Amino acid sequence: EAGVAQSPRYKIIEKRQSVAFWCNPISGHATLYWYQQILGQGPKLLIQFQNNGVVDDSQLPKDRFSAERLKGVDSTLKIQPAKLEDSAVYLCASSLSGRHTEAFFGQGTRLTVV
Amino acid sequence: GQQVMQIPQYQHVQEGEDFTTYCNSSTTLSNIQWYKQRPGGHPVFLIQLVKSGEVKKQKRLTFQFGEAKKNSSLHITATQTTDVGTYFCAENTGNQFYFGTGTSLTVIP
Repeated sequence: EAGVAQSPRYKIIEKRQSVAFWCNPISGHATLYWYQQILGQGPKLLIQFQNNGVVDDSQLPKDRFSAERLKGVDSTLKIQPAKLEDSAVYLCASSLSGRHTEAFFGQGTRLTVV
Repeated sequence: GQQVMQIPQYQHVQEGEDFTTYCNSSTTLSNIQWYKQRPGGHPVFLIQLVKSGEVKKQKRLTFQFGEAKKNSSLHITATQTTDVGTYFCAENTGNQFYFGTGTSLTVIP
């Protein structure tokens, strides 16, 4: 079974530039998550999709971050404009629907904002 | 969102010693999941506990869910260098999937 695919693996941008990350979840997983993990901290949930609908985006900085999952499969997360404090690993995860399901994570995208 | 606290934040142990990390919540948890993240890697699912007082074992790892479903623990017996990493607890309510603050384990050979 193919895992969660993310690209790119690494990205370096200057502050105020924009960046986009892509995620393709495990086939059949209706739920997709984007997490931000700053070095030394736990993953922070940015947004959760159920199919192509948003379930939870309470911790997404909506003035600069946006995410979509138009066809209920793959998803993109965008930051515009980036700030230095956005430097982190952005993890995408997917799971089956329901509360007792485990999350499968992609390798993540390491973003450095200079 | 809900914050699940973990203690300790860091733990250094000599190889062969035991290790325990604790996960605490101010509210009742619908479940508790444990994940391991190796340095430079991504979180990998270990186990899920759902029932009050539940105990599960995986080789040298023992997982417990508190009677009140507000806390959980992960205990590793006789640590090995392969146990190095950060251990996270998490709760998946179906509408929210939040991770704890994590415990970073270093094993000294």
